[in-house]
Formats: sequence, structure tokens, C-alpha cells
Amino acid sequence: TQLLEQSPQFLSIQEGENLTVYCNSSSVFSSLQWYRQEPGEGPVLLVTVVTGGEVKKLKRLTFQFGDARKDSSLHITAAQPGDTGLYLCAGAREVGNTPLVFGKGTRLSVIA
Amino acid sequence: DSGVTQTPKHLITATGQRVTLRCSPRSGDLSVYWYQQSLDQGLQFLIQYYNGEERAKGNILERFSAQQFPDLHSELNLSSLELGDSALYFCASSGPLRGGINEQFFGPGTRLTVL
Repeated sequence: TQLLEQSPQFLSIQEGENLTVYCNSSSVFSSLQWYRQEPGEGPVLLVTVVTGGEVKKLKRLTFQFGDARKDSSLHITAAQPGDTGLYLCAGAREVGNTPLVFGKGTRLSVIA
Repeated sequence: DSGVTQTPKHLITATGQRVTLRCSPRSGDLSVYWYQQSLDQGLQFLIQYYNGEERAKGNILERFSAQQFPDLHSELNLSSLELGDSALYFCASSGPLRGGINEQFFGPGTRLTVL
């Protein structure tokens, strides 16, 4: 059973379009992180959200943590080819130095 | 560059063999995590060390073991290798908590191919 479900699994869009990817769970997380991974490389941390209802913006990327801290979304405005990659959400079940639980990811392809 | 280093980048070996993967965490980070990434399972947590001591265990097979040394680098040992062990193996490290938040930084990974 996958604790964190990400959707969609694959997404192919044209440059300039907007998109949203989702990360859902029936479990509560103390924090949730979003990573982007490119082929042959390790995941790179984009953002961490901690408070229920929290919204964080990183240039054209907007991250939201659900009120109940069970789900999150990533919205990209005016996607660019450089946004192409695997987007992973990861949750921490407890506060502290604990392992992360990862979703399987959304593979995004932005076509010029 | 995350500051986490892993060697080797690629490893090709045969079934039944044993290999060692090495990880150096970011300067000052005491926690090291090992994850396995396969196409069908995604990133799965294997094991965590904190300042030399095992802290948490995940889906790690008995054929696999790890340790963290006094200089905080870590090694993951995989033995009696099977075809299904072919995967990307990532090391991540984390440091002092900021507001209780555990942010993990990943190395570039080791791609293991078992033939």
C-alpha cells in the first residue's frame, strides 16, 4: 500500500500551459516536502510545508498543504521546458530526524 | 550540488556477488539515510543512521547491511546479489532541525546493475 498517492502519474503539456499535480494520503504528516528529480540525478528539494493550509510560492511554482495535513498540491504557472522532470512528494510522519515516505511521482514533460 | 557525495556512480556486477556503496553526508549533518529507487516501487527507505548509531529500519533485506563511521560517512553493503536488486541507490543526509523540520538532501545516487 502506497502511503502517498500522486496524480497524475504522467503529464505532457505545451509550453505556457498551467498544471497542477496532487499528493494525497489518508495519513497525517508533520511536514511534507516536494522534490524534483532529473534523469540520472538525485532528488532536489524544492520546498517544505509544515502548517495545515500553508501556501508557499517559488517563482512560478505554488505549493499548498491541506488543512488536515494529509494532502498537498503543486501548481505550475506558464510551464517551461526547464520544468520537465519527475516531481516527488515526501512526508515526514513525525517531527525530528525521521525517514521520509515518498509518493511514486509525477513525470512532467513540457514541450516547446 | 547538494553537498552529499556518493561513489561509485555506476556499478555492474553478477548475481551472487557482494558490493559496497559509499556516501559522504553534507558537512555537519549527523543523519544519513539510504533509499532504493526502482521503476515500479519508487523511492523506498532502507535504513537510517544518526551519529554512528542505527536509528530506523525500513524495507531493508537481511542480505543488506549498513554502517556509519566516526567521520560520519556511511557504507551500504549488498550481498548475495539478485537480478531484482538492480536499482538506483540514494543516500540523503539531514542536519540540525529548523523548527522541527527534517529537510533531507540527496546525493547523485549509485546505479547498480546485476547481470
